Amino acid sequence: DGGITQSPKYLFRKEGQNVTLSCEQNLNHDAMYWYRQDPGQGLRLIYYSQIVNDFQKGDIAEGYSVSREKKESFPLTVTSAQKNPTAFYLCASSIQSANYGYTFGSGTRLTVV
Amino acid sequence: KQEVTQIPAALSVPEGENLVLNCSFTDSAIYNLQWFRQDPGKGLTSLLLIQSSQREQTSGRLNASLDKSSGRSTLYIAASQPGDSATYLCAVSGIKAAGNKLTFGGGTRVLVKP
Repeated sequence: DGGITQSPKYLFRKEGQNVTLSCEQNLNHDAMYWYRQDPGQGLRLIYYSQIVNDFQKGDIAEGYSVSREKKESFPLTVTSAQKNPTAFYLCASSIQSANYGYTFGSGTRLTVV
Repeated sequence: KQEVTQIPAALSVPEGENLVLNCSFTDSAIYNLQWFRQDPGKGLTSLLLIQSSQREQTSGRLNASLDKSSGRSTLYIAASQPGDSATYLCAVSGIKAAGNKLTFGGGTRVLVKP
């Protein structure tokens, strides 16, 4: 079955550590996105990528980094520069050339310990 | 900058009653509007996608309307069931040239009581 896989489901980070969240899709979608969700709030865009080897900052990119070396993969690194990283992170993908909307993964919950 | 608002933030209804969820957006230059469902601790499930040229979309008990000129969309869920309890999010997509990015509302948390 085609879809988006995010791993791990739960992640714990110590102060000062960098951690990487995985996002893989087998939908052959061009574009991929990372969103952050805080309790009781909507989703905010962190980074997005429309093609391989290219990505753009979203509304809250500070403290995060991404790479897009393969069409299927769009990992997100939460760096030590992100002061409040505890949140629910969602990855999504879409077809740029058609109006099919977004498909989302099941999310990764990151907690700072 | 596009802003999306969902009212009410929470809604509680008895089983069988129809649900009406509202979404408004400030910039009418959208590519499409999408309604999602989110269960606690889970990802988003797409319910309906309305393209900017369409007025409404229907799927089973769900119907969503779109009025671009007034910046409004409404999601109707007929004959609600306890299984409909979830948070419903609407999101508007900007033009493709701007990355087709989605801007989300804060969501409406729905509780359907048996």
